[in-house]
Amino acid sequence: EAQVTQNPRYLITVTGKKLTVTCSQNMNHEYMSWYRQDPGLGLRQIYYSMNVEVTDKGDVPEGYKVSRKEKRNFPLILESPSPNQTSLYFCASRPLFPVQRNEQFFGPGTRLTVL
Amino acid sequence: GENVEQHPSTLSVQEGDSAVIKCTYSDSASNYFPWYKQELGKRPQLIIDIRSNVGEKKDQRIAVTLNKTAKHFSLHITETQPEDSAVYFCAASTDSGGYQKVTFGTGTKLQVIP
Repeated sequence: EAQVTQNPRYLITVTGKKLTVTCSQNMNHEYMSWYRQDPGLGLRQIYYSMNVEVTDKGDVPEGYKVSRKEKRNFPLILESPSPNQTSLYFCASRPLFPVQRNEQFFGPGTRLTVL
Repeated sequence: GENVEQHPSTLSVQEGDSAVIKCTYSDSASNYFPWYKQELGKRPQLIIDIRSNVGEKKDQRIAVTLNKTAKHFSLHITETQPEDSAVYFCAASTDSGGYQKVTFGTGTKLQVIP
C-alpha cells in the first residue's frame, strides 16, 4: 500500500530534551516536506527536500533540523524543544514529475506536546 | 515571501446549498493552487487544484476559479452534503527550478446542516 508513515503518532516530552520524528514514504517520491498545524494558523511549512541531500527552509524553520540521507526518509529533529513547538506535525511527499501532478500525500500526523 | 489569506474562517450552509471559499495570494510568481480537505482527526487530502494557465476547473460538485490579475482563487462546492463538512485549506506554490515552497491559507471550517 502506497503511504507516508510517521512515528511516533503522539509524544509528550519536556523542554530541552532532543527528539526526532521520523517520516517514511514508499512511493519513491523525490519531494518531501514537514508542516506544523496550529489552530487559526493553518498549515505552515517547516522544511522541504527536493531530493537526497537537498533541503531548504520553509516559512517556520527556527528550532528545527532535517536531513535527507535516503530518498524514502525525512526525519524532523528538535534539538532543544520548547513549549511553543507544541503542535500537530505532518509529513508529506509528492513526485517531482510529471509536473502537472503536484498532489502532496500526507502522513497521519504526530501530535507533540512540550512541557 | 508568499502570503495567502483565506475567508471565511467558518461557514455554515444548509444541505443542498452552495458554499464558496475565497483565497488571495501575494506573490505573482505563484503558479499552482491546490485545495485540501481535512476531516476531523484526519490528514489533509487534495480535492482539486488549478494551475496559473487555467481560469477554471471542475470535478463533479467541486470547482475552482482563478483570477491571476486580482491574485485570488475560489473553491465552489455545489449541492453540499453532510459529508462535505470539514476544514478546507487553500495553498499557493511556485514550481520554479529548486524553489518549491508551499504556503497554505489558515483554513475554513465548513459545516453542512442536514
